[in-house]
Parts: sequence; structure tokens; C-alpha cells
Amino acid sequence: DIQMTQSPSSLSASVGDRVTITCQASHDISNYLNWYQQKPGKAPKLLIYDASNLETGVPSRFSGSGSGTDFNFTISSLQPEDFAAYHCQQYHSVPPTFGPGTKMDF
Amino acid sequence: EVQLVESGGGLVQPGGSLRLSCAASGFTFSSYWIAWVRQAPGKGLEWVANMNQDGSERYYVDSVRGRFTISRDNAKKSLYLQMNSLRADDTALYYCARGRGAHRYWGQGTLVTVSS
Repeated sequence: DIQMTQSPSSLSASVGDRVTITCQASHDISNYLNWYQQKPGKAPKLLIYDASNLETGVPSRFSGSGSGTDFNFTISSLQPEDFAAYHCQQYHSVPPTFGPGTKMDF
Repeated sequence: EVQLVESGGGLVQPGGSLRLSCAASGFTFSSYWIAWVRQAPGKGLEWVANMNQDGSERYYVDSVRGRFTISRDNAKKSLYLQMNSLRADDTALYYCARGRGAHRYWGQGTLVTVSS
């Protein structure tokens, strides 16, 4: 199975900050990488698919980059509603695997 | 509006069985891969199983293979997960999610607790 690591595991930030989360795959996954946001008690929400494509309706302050084994997820200017957990997911190989998540708070 | 609604969760003893259901609406169910993804309390997401449009392809994570069976009824627009030989580490919120790669739509989840 492809292992996904994420860093940091938690992050304290402030409104207006630029934040970046990294995700690393144990094998080359090309660009088969998605990013999800999850708020407490809610289902995950797709933000970025295929490493860098912004899902319809998602604000442009969210972006993704990378290919192969190393990926970045950036929020250019944090908004109050962005404080949540973020998960990366590879779907290059079965089983699709998620990173352990990054919890973002104040 | 796309909706996925899970049901069937509950408290079950170790070694027991449970059948989860996911009712779909608002889209052509028979046109999409569907998956089960779970999340243990306070933990990350774990993909469990998925199935293609006509049920001819099914995939499982190693930890559930041989114990869980994914199935679907396109006429009823429903997805199922038969879970046998349940263990404590199967305790989680189980989501159904549409799609093979990116999951654009998720249900609200149904909680499975395995405990004596």
C-alpha cells in the first residue's frame, strides 16, 4: 500500500496568515492526489483534486501543487471558516490511502 | 441535489455482524463508482471498499477483506456493506462517498461501535 505522510500534524495560525501543508507519498503517485477539508462533526469536503485543480465553488485562496511524491496545499489568507482539519488522499493505487490529517486552529 | 444517506449503524458485540446501507438520490446512481470510508473516533480517514457501476469490480482494504462485502442495488439506488466478524478496531463512523478517485459527495455517516 502507498503510505501518505502529512506535516505538520497540527498548526496554530491567525486570520490572514498564509499556511502550507505538505503531503508526501511513499511511491510516485503522479498527480493522483486530492485534498479535503473536514470540520468537527461533518463529512469531508473536496477542495482540490488531481493535485492542483480547484473544485467548483471552492474559494481561490485554496491551492494545491506538486507531483510524484511531494505535494503542497496552501491557503493564501486564512479566514475564520478555514479552521478545520485537512486530509490528503492518493488514488493512484488500490487501496486509496489518506494522510493522517492536519488540524488547524487558532 | 445530490444526497447520500447512511443507516444501519449501532452497537454490536465483537464477532457480530452488521449491514450498513447508503441511499442515494439526486443523481444517476448507476453511473458512478461508490465507496465506503470510515473514521475511528478522533482519528483520520480510512478507505474501506469500493465498487464500480455494475458491481463487476470490488476492492477492499486488507484489514476488512474476507470479513466485509460491498454490494449495490442500482434499481433501489442503494449501496450496502455487510460486515461480519466485527472487531473492536472496526469501531468508526462509516461514510459512503461517490466517485472512484475524488469523492465529491459524502453522506453524513453512520456510527458502528464494536464492544462487549
